[in-house]
Amino acid sequence: GAVVSQHPSWVICKSGTSVKIECRSLDFQATTMFWYRQFPKQSLMLMATSNEGSKATYEQGVEKDKFLINHASLTLSTLTVTSAHPEDSSFYICSADRGQNTEAFFGQGTRLTVV
Amino acid sequence: AQRVTQPEKLLSVFKGAPVELKCNYSYSGSPELFWYVQYSRQRLQLLLRHISRESIKGFTADLNKGETSFHLKKPFAQEEDSAMYYCALSATGNQFYFGTGTSLTVIP
Repeated sequence: GAVVSQHPSWVICKSGTSVKIECRSLDFQATTMFWYRQFPKQSLMLMATSNEGSKATYEQGVEKDKFLINHASLTLSTLTVTSAHPEDSSFYICSADRGQNTEAFFGQGTRLTVV
Repeated sequence: AQRVTQPEKLLSVFKGAPVELKCNYSYSGSPELFWYVQYSRQRLQLLLRHISRESIKGFTADLNKGETSFHLKKPFAQEEDSAMYYCALSATGNQFYFGTGTSLTVIP
């Protein structure tokens, strides 16, 4: 099956710094990638949808200047949490698909802790 | 706005017993409904989608538009079914809106 990999799996950063999370489709070209956030014991919440070469579409309530998404190629999307604060600590998960009506595959997630 | 509700956070059943995980949704259009499963320390993976109308690992789910439900069922639970189950709605493409999840434990 298709594999989506996130890097890093776990990161700790200081408050005020920025951290970048990568999402790669290892064996297929991803037309669209999605970013989710999951708080402890809560559901995944869709943050944004990104298409290669175009600006990401953010869900209502998600600050686009806070969570910068770059989908630079058909196999890589990055999420940068800028000026991170402790309340940004969460589990971030990406998914990718090959196009309309195809299955989406999820990454293993990245746990971000801001101290 | 779309919304997916899974009323049970935790569900325990004995091995061999039937299991039903409830999911209700609200959406003004015609959504696609999915069930995703997450086994311990593994990533989310698709279990089934209502469009395909197939049975995966013995699980089935029927979309009931009148009741806006998409309950997941299995007649005889197995220990390996213990996992976190998420019901999800898609309005367009693979943008998913997830329920809060149900943790299923199958007791040997």
